[in-house]
Amino acid sequence: ETGVTQTPRHLVMGMTNKKSLKCEQHLGHNAMYWYKQSAKKPLELMFVYSLEERVENNSVPSRFSPECPNSSHLFLHLHTLQPEDSALYLCASSQERAATNEKLFFGSGTQLSVL
Amino acid sequence: QKEVEQNSGPLSVPEGAIASLNCTYSDRVSQSFFWYRQYSGKSPELIMSIYSNGDKEDGRFTAQLNKASQYVSLLIRDSQPSDSATYLCAVNTGFQKLVFGTGTRLLVSP
Repeated sequence: ETGVTQTPRHLVMGMTNKKSLKCEQHLGHNAMYWYKQSAKKPLELMFVYSLEERVENNSVPSRFSPECPNSSHLFLHLHTLQPEDSALYLCASSQERAATNEKLFFGSGTQLSVL
Repeated sequence: QKEVEQNSGPLSVPEGAIASLNCTYSDRVSQSFFWYRQYSGKSPELIMSIYSNGDKEDGRFTAQLNKASQYVSLLIRDSQPSDSATYLCAVNTGFQKLVFGTGTRLLVSP
């Protein structure tokens, strides 16, 4: 395995379901991110973890709950989602959070559909 | 005003031509600038970064930065059909905040 891997690639869930997205990075990076990508909108930063500590939460609804058990793994737990949450969810990593020249490496994303 | 603005396109160019993709940003303290390429159904991939005024060349790609005009561009020389993708401009404002544009869709026709 190389780079950043995300599972599942596709997910369909009802509004009452609970599911989790998983991300794993094999790059030895210290920072990991969750982004949301919706049609016609810029990438939206949701959460940032640096050295397993959450350093940013961009006013994301509580129905999205991140978890970072170690510097290589990142989860996004989903519950009672709304149809407008349907989007591509991208995980990314970078060498470190503090640098202004941080370069992001993205996973392949999870295409989420909420029915 | 959007923090990072890009024309959504599509920008259509014939194979072999130069494709010019533009991006403007609103925050004058921005320090780092990036271009990501995203093929349909795929994740973004970093192709260029630029930090100082002027041009930076990497193969067929040239990034141009003009901080006074708050403008960054990406030139793709000898465009190929395989360059057809959406190109995302991203700007780091210096507050550990990376802001993306909505992207420009490029279509290169054979």
